[in-house]
Amino acid sequence: GAVVSQHPSWVICKSGTSVKIECRSLDFQATTMFWYRQFPKKSLMLMATSNEGSKATYEQGVEKDKFLINHASLTLSTLTVTSAHPEDSSFYICSAHAGVQPQHFGDGTRLSIL
Amino acid sequence: DQQVKQNSPSLSVQEGRISILNCDYTNSMFDYFLWYKKYPAEGPTFLISISSIKDKNEDGRFTVFLNKSAKHLSLHIVPSQPGDSAVYFCAASEGSGNTPLVFGKGTRLSVIA
Repeated sequence: GAVVSQHPSWVICKSGTSVKIECRSLDFQATTMFWYRQFPKKSLMLMATSNEGSKATYEQGVEKDKFLINHASLTLSTLTVTSAHPEDSSFYICSAHAGVQPQHFGDGTRLSIL
Repeated sequence: DQQVKQNSPSLSVQEGRISILNCDYTNSMFDYFLWYKKYPAEGPTFLISISSIKDKNEDGRFTVFLNKSAKHLSLHIVPSQPGDSAVYFCAASEGSGNTPLVFGKGTRLSVIA
């Protein structure tokens, strides 16, 4: 079946560091990738929609300069959390979509900012 | 404002019995609904979906029922197995294309042997 790989799975870093998270669709070309964030005991909240070759569409309240998204190819999207602070600590997860298939999710990245 | 609601944060069921997970939604524009299963430290795994033109979709032990007038859907798992123990997320979208999903908060299912 379809596989989405997300890397790294866990990051611990100091405040002020920028962190890049990669999301790859391994056996299909994803026309659209989505980035979600999950707080403890909360549902997955959409951050942005990323289409290959175009600028990402951010949800209200998500700072585009803080969360940089690049979707350079049909199999790779990256999320960079710039100058991360403790409040950015969360579980970030991507999904990839192609055609009428359901979204397939990566295993997520747990980001901990000290 | 929660557009997709899973009002039961947890559910315990005996092995072999039926598990029924419920989900309500408020946005009448939603026409595609999905259930995902999630284990700790893993991403959600797609289970089953249903479009608004149907009221039932079945795949093995999993059946999803949709009641559009009540804006309610449910996932039935029968018979329940210990390996089904996980968090189940209900999700909805407007269309089955490249539209984002709106998730409920999830229901933690525990199947007791």
